[in-house]
Amino acid sequence: EVQLVESGGGLVKPGGSLRLSCAASGFTFSNAWMSWVRQAPGKGLEWVGRIKSKTDGGTTDYAAPVKGRFTISRDDSKNTLHLQMNSLKTEDTAVYYCTTEIVAALDVWGQGTTVTVSS
Amino acid sequence: QSALTQPASVSGSPGQSITISCTGTSSDIGGYNYVSWYQQHPGKAPKLMIYEVSNRPSGVSNRFSGSKSGNTASLTISGLQAEDEADYYCSSYTSSSTWVFGGGTKLTVL
Repeated sequence: EVQLVESGGGLVKPGGSLRLSCAASGFTFSNAWMSWVRQAPGKGLEWVGRIKSKTDGGTTDYAAPVKGRFTISRDDSKNTLHLQMNSLKTEDTAVYYCTTEIVAALDVWGQGTTVTVSS
Repeated sequence: QSALTQPASVSGSPGQSITISCTGTSSDIGGYNYVSWYQQHPGKAPKLMIYEVSNRPSGVSNRFSGSKSGNTASLTISGLQAEDEADYYCSSYTSSSTWVFGGGTKLTVL
């Protein structure tokens, strides 16, 4: 069974940093493109960014609101995806989900981890 | 990249069919056959229901179907059931190599 488990969420002050992780199992993680999606309280879904498999170059793409502040990385030896978030703003407050991109869609989702940016 | 446009809410009675529209531009929906639909129940993670415009993942009921015409995609749910009550989001690949979502549609089963 494909499973994604996020961790690392919490309360952080504006301007601070936080690193989220996503532990993957049940599929060949190294072959998968992976994305992060967030959902602010009471709001819709917002794609954050992706990292391609190393076979496909391992490159990253980001949504405009987080470009230059967030960095996605992967550790294929540990089947783990990371999201490093710097210069956090109150508007980054959201549930953050990691997802696979095995088909041309965001096909499997984790349960999410909550990030709250507040002073 | 602007969000795709969905109606805020739709409703239907059990057994009926409903359709949710999703309008974008030639830089997203109109330019790619990479439209997907997600179902989200309160407090739960989204679930992929349709990918590549009209394909259903294994395990998704055939009551769910998708289509696209020009810059507008649609999700149709036939034989509406109480368990279908949820929020539905469309998404499309874009010319910027990103994904863009619609604002979401709340489906109420009367």
